[in-house]
Amino acid sequence: DAMVIQNPRYQVTQFGKPVTLSCSQTLNHNVMYWYQQKSSQAPKLLFHYYDKDFNNEADTPDNFQSRRPNTSFCFLDIRSPGLGDAAMYLCATRTGADNGYTFGSGTRLTVV
Amino acid sequence: EDQVTQSPEALRLQEGESSSLNCSYTVSGLRGLFWYRQDPGKGPEFLFTLYSAGEEKEKERLKATLTKKESFLHITAPKPEDSATYLCAVQEAGGYNKLIFGAGTRLAVHP
Repeated sequence: DAMVIQNPRYQVTQFGKPVTLSCSQTLNHNVMYWYQQKSSQAPKLLFHYYDKDFNNEADTPDNFQSRRPNTSFCFLDIRSPGLGDAAMYLCATRTGADNGYTFGSGTRLTVV
Repeated sequence: EDQVTQSPEALRLQEGESSSLNCSYTVSGLRGLFWYRQDPGKGPEFLFTLYSAGEEKEKERLKATLTKKESFLHITAPKPEDSATYLCAVQEAGGYNKLIFGAGTRLAVHP
């Protein structure tokens, strides 16, 4: 029944080793978001796609990139993870027509 | 700058002890205010959207209210299964409808 699926649930990566997190959705929503949530902090928007149009938040580090090859899938690439990038990464979707946001279960990233 | 502040940071209640969580916000134009529940290690789960001052919404033991500067999430006779972090977020008018979140209130309800 999961409508926004994030893989993997837990990811351990080495300092400086590129890592990719994935998000897929079965809702056919045209907007997809990536949020970063550190422990006991507010989720922070990194970027979003409106269809294929990519929008980067001004304070998102260059180390973070994203790809959306089709409506269903979106990827978050961290080129050179640092210890400060350890966090929960949340994917969310939204239709353009209403305000409903659906979140995935998140990927917990650990950098060692 | 748009801001969302939630209080208290943490709240411990006895089962059946009603209370309220606060979300104060500053936004140039409010399109909607959202409440989410987040369990440990999971993504936020949608609870309510409020659009205009004076609006109220209810779901089981939860009731959300909205004024021009803040929102309250009232919890009536809570149960241990209500234990979670409750997140408030505002959706600004324009700006591709992104959500700006508060840091949340961690609620623990003890039997």
